[in-house]
Formats: sequence, C-alpha cells, structure tokens
Amino acid sequence: EVQLVESGGGLVQPGGSLRLSCAASGFTFSNYWMTWVRQAPGKGLEWVANMAQDGSEKYYLDSVKGRFTISRDNAKISLYLQMNSLRAEDTAVYYCARGWASLDYWGQGTLVTVSS
Amino acid sequence: DIVMTQSPDSLALSLGERATINCKSSQSVLSSSNNKNYLAWYQQKPGHPPKLLIDWASTRGSGVPDRFSGSVSGTDFTLTISSLQAEDVAVYYCHQYYSTPRTFGQGTKVEIK
Repeated sequence: EVQLVESGGGLVQPGGSLRLSCAASGFTFSNYWMTWVRQAPGKGLEWVANMAQDGSEKYYLDSVKGRFTISRDNAKISLYLQMNSLRAEDTAVYYCARGWASLDYWGQGTLVTVSS
Repeated sequence: DIVMTQSPDSLALSLGERATINCKSSQSVLSSSNNKNYLAWYQQKPGHPPKLLIDWASTRGSGVPDRFSGSVSGTDFTLTISSLQAEDVAVYYCHQYYSTPRTFGQGTKVEIK
C-alpha cells in the first residue's frame, strides 16, 4: 500500500524557517517525481514545487523561489521542503504527493502556521 | 501561467441527480506530440487530502466509480457525476499539468439538497 506521511509542520514566526519531511512507503520511491502542494485554511489547492526522480530537475512556484528548497533522499525514501524567510501567506497545510503529471497519491498533510 | 476557472463555485442537488462541473483553461493543455489533454480532476472531502478521480481529461483513476466521467471540448473540461450519491459530497478541483507552474481551479463544492 502506498503511503506518504508528512511531518515537521508547526508554528513559526515571520522570517523563520521550517523543514518539512515526507516519508514514503509501498512503492519504489526513486522511480517517481514528487510534488509539494499547499492549501491555506479554507482555500483551494496551490502547487508549490516538484522534483525529478534523481533530483536533476526542480521547479518552484514563483512566490517561493529563493525561499523554499525541495530535496529528496532516495536512500532514506524521503522528500523534503526547506522553507526559509516564511511569511504569513505561507500559512497552509502542506501535502506531499506522488507524480509529475497527475498526482495519484497524497499524504495527510502537515500544518504550517506563520504568525507572531 | 495557465489560469483554470471552474464553474459553478457550488451546487446543491438531490440524490440521484446528475452533477456537472466545468473547468476552462486560459490556454490549450493539449499536447501535439501525444494528442493528450494534460488535465486531472480531484475530489477532496472535509478533513482529507485530495483524491485523484480522472487524469488525461477522461481516464478514471484506479477504483473510481464509473458514475464519474470526464470530457473535453477545446479548452473546456467537464466532470460529470451521473447519479449523485451521499458520499460524493466534497469539493472538486481541476488541475493542469501541461506547464509549470502547475495550476488548479478554485474548486466546486457539491452538496446534497
């Protein structure tokens, strides 16, 4: 069974940093692109970043470029999102999802709250 | 960026009725190399992550009931629920993966009248 489990969310002050993790199981992680999608409270879905199987390609939403870094460790079967210079508008549930095209499996999400 | 515009924002129907949700892309998401539309639909129930229903505009995901179907006409996409069930209460999103950044529609909330 495919499982994606996010962790690392929490309350952080504006300008602070957080590192989100996504632990994968039930599939060959190194064969898949992976994606981060976020959802602000009561709002819709927003694509954040994705990454190729070997890390050779990474793409970002313009509003997070230079602040967020997507990475992965295929040996540890994990995806990461390093978030720096956080802003109030980054407050959201962050989901990791499998895929480059459609996203066929999603984690339950981890809540990031940016507030003083 | 490709803008995805869904309509309506919400709809309330009786059990067994047909639900139709529309999504319009601001530019084509049809690939000339494989003649496929790079468009997916997701269902999100309260407190849960999204679930893939349909990709490539009309291909149902694994285990998705056949009352869900997708169609396309140019840059207009439609998700149809042929006979609304209580468990279909959710927000539905379209999603283009033709170009980066990937973008989603704003969502359509489906309720039972």
